[in-house]
Amino acid sequence: GNSVTQMEGPVTLSEEAFLTINCTYTATGYPSLFWYVQYPGEGLQLLLKATKADDKGSNKGFEATYRKETTSFHLEKGSVQVSDSAVYFCALSDQAGTALIFGKGTTLSVSS
Amino acid sequence: DTGVSQDPRHKITKRGQNVTFRCDPISEHNRLYWYRQTLGQGPEFLTYFQNEAQLEKSRLLSDRFSAERPKGSFSTLEIQRTEQGDSAMYLCASSSRTYGPTQYFGPGTRLTVL
Repeated sequence: GNSVTQMEGPVTLSEEAFLTINCTYTATGYPSLFWYVQYPGEGLQLLLKATKADDKGSNKGFEATYRKETTSFHLEKGSVQVSDSAVYFCALSDQAGTALIFGKGTTLSVSS
Repeated sequence: DTGVSQDPRHKITKRGQNVTFRCDPISEHNRLYWYRQTLGQGPEFLTYFQNEAQLEKSRLLSDRFSAERPKGSFSTLEIQRTEQGDSAMYLCASSSRTYGPTQYFGPGTRLTVL
């Protein structure tokens, strides 16, 4: 079945450091891939998405590229801020667009 | 566009009681989803509606759980005879078949079963 594996956290960085959170997936066909972010006490917010191979999703300085050959969708940001501290979830949906399959989440903590 | 809303935001109940949660999706979205999220885990799919039809249910949705979307707008999720293991965040999301697979989430209902 479909599954998502993302790197274990927590990830602790200093402000302005480079961020990478790894995400790999297993799926049949051509899934869509997503990164969601959950700030403390809030619901899930869509951060970025990619719907086909080689697409790059980007938002708020975050980027991720849909790599079908390595079945990966790693999240990157060149310079993190304290306000980026949150839990990040990688997810996929199948071509029918029904259930999202989520990874376990990676907690990011950025200190000034 | 007011986004997905959920009510209540928090619910504390005693074991054995019934609880009902409500979700109002984004107005033009015809698809509605329920997920459950426990501490330290990603959300897990429970069920999915397209308009008023419930098209898919997870095996996580035991007989004590029932969901409805009677007029294809808002949805309710009822848990009967609650157990301590039902304590979790219940998330609702909606999407539009017209605009692709992106699901937009509400703030969630946090259930605590004592």
